Amino acid sequence: KQEVTQIPAALSVPEGENLVLNCSFTDSAIYNLQWFRQDPGKGLTSLLLIQSSQREQTSGRLNASLDKSSGRSTLYIAASQPGDSATYLCAVSGTYKYIFGTGTRLKVLA
Amino acid sequence: DVKVTQSSRYLVKRTGEKVFLECVQDMDHENMFWYRQDPGLGLRLIYFSYDVKMKEKGDIPEGYSVSREKKERFSLILESASTNQTSMYLCASAPAVGRYEQYFGPGTRLTVT
Repeated sequence: KQEVTQIPAALSVPEGENLVLNCSFTDSAIYNLQWFRQDPGKGLTSLLLIQSSQREQTSGRLNASLDKSSGRSTLYIAASQPGDSATYLCAVSGTYKYIFGTGTRLKVLA
Repeated sequence: DVKVTQSSRYLVKRTGEKVFLECVQDMDHENMFWYRQDPGLGLRLIYFSYDVKMKEKGDIPEGYSVSREKKERFSLILESASTNQTSMYLCASAPAVGRYEQYFGPGTRLTVT
């Protein structure tokens, strides 16, 4: 059974820092991995999608990497800003459904 | 841009009431999903649908049913609401299961008293 873990559960950093969020999964037979952002009380916003054949994807200050063999993905946020404060979730896709981690709650201090 | 809308942002219902949560997507996606999200438990899949009138149970289907009469609309039904169904409910859609990204609606915060 696929399990997805995100460590740390919470993170607080000063503005301007580069930071890395981690996502690990137990079954490497995935189609893709998706990173989301969720603001309090809101739905999920898709940030990046990495197909299983890809190693990384970039969008602006965000870079996500995928290492299927080791069951790991990282989301790198460059030059963090207070507006980046949110919960970040990763999800892996199998044949019929998506499995989510419980998220990392990020706070960027001004 | 894909748009997924949910009928209510906030809903308060009484124990025993029948509750309908509606979700509509405008991108002709085959697949639609209902999740609930609770602190410490993350997102858990309740039901999903891969075609009109087709549905599959997710991880926690007990106490819920679904309806998909039209491709763009996926309804979640709580037959007799209970306090342990107080939660955030999130709807999502995707073009095909597993291979494409999911798009989420804004969520419905349901409180059952």
